[in-house]
Amino acid sequence: AQRVTQPEKLLSVFKGAPVELKCNYSYSGSPELFWYVQYSRQRLQLLLRHISRESIKGFTADLNKGETSFHLKKPFAQEEDSAMYYCALKGAQKLVFGQGTRLTINP
Amino acid sequence: SAVISQKPSRDICQRGTSLTIQCQVDSQVTMMFWYRQQPGQSLTLIATANQGSEATYESGFVIDKFPISRPNLTFSTLTVSNMSPEDSSIYLCSVGWSGSRWETQYFGPGTRLLVL
Repeated sequence: AQRVTQPEKLLSVFKGAPVELKCNYSYSGSPELFWYVQYSRQRLQLLLRHISRESIKGFTADLNKGETSFHLKKPFAQEEDSAMYYCALKGAQKLVFGQGTRLTINP
Repeated sequence: SAVISQKPSRDICQRGTSLTIQCQVDSQVTMMFWYRQQPGQSLTLIATANQGSEATYESGFVIDKFPISRPNLTFSTLTVSNMSPEDSSIYLCSVGWSGSRWETQYFGPGTRLLVL
C-alpha cells in the first residue's frame, strides 16, 4: 500500500530562518515523490519532483530511500513562502497525498 | 503544463439533489482524475476518468454515487448524486500524461460544494 506521512500539521518560523517540512512515505516499489504547494486563494500547484533534482523558489528536496523520506528544505524562509504544502507519492499511476503542512513565515 | 477550468466554481445544494461538475482542459491529456478534499483534510482520489470506457474507482467510492463521464481527451464530468451534508467538500479535477518519465499531474481550481 502507498502511504505518505507529514507529521507536522502546522509549522511556524521567522523570516530568514531555515525551513524543513518533513515527509515520510511507505511504498514497496520504486517511488516517485512530489511536493505540491497551495498559496492562499490559489490552486494546488507542483513545486518540485524528486527525479528532476531541481531547486524551485529556493526549495530543495532529496529522496532518502534508506529513511523513506523526502523532506522539503529552504535555507532562508521568506514571507511569501507561507502556504499549505503537500507531499505526494506516485505509484501505479495514482497520486497519494500526505495530510499537508501549513507553513507560516513570521516577519 | 495545461490550463484547466472547472464549472461551477462553487455551489450550494439541497440534500437529495445531484450536481454535475465539469472539467475542461486546453490540450489533449492522457489521464484525468477526480479528487475530493474534505474540510481540513488532504486530497483523496475518487476515480480515474478513462476516455471511452468506464471510470476506475478507488476503494470507498462507487459509480452510483459519483458517475463520471469522459467523452474525449479534453473534457470530463463528475456528478455527485443524492447529496448529503457529508458530501460538502472541494472537488478537484487533475490531468496528466502517461508514458513519460516526467509525468506530473496538474490541478484545476476546484469546485467548492456545500450541501444543506
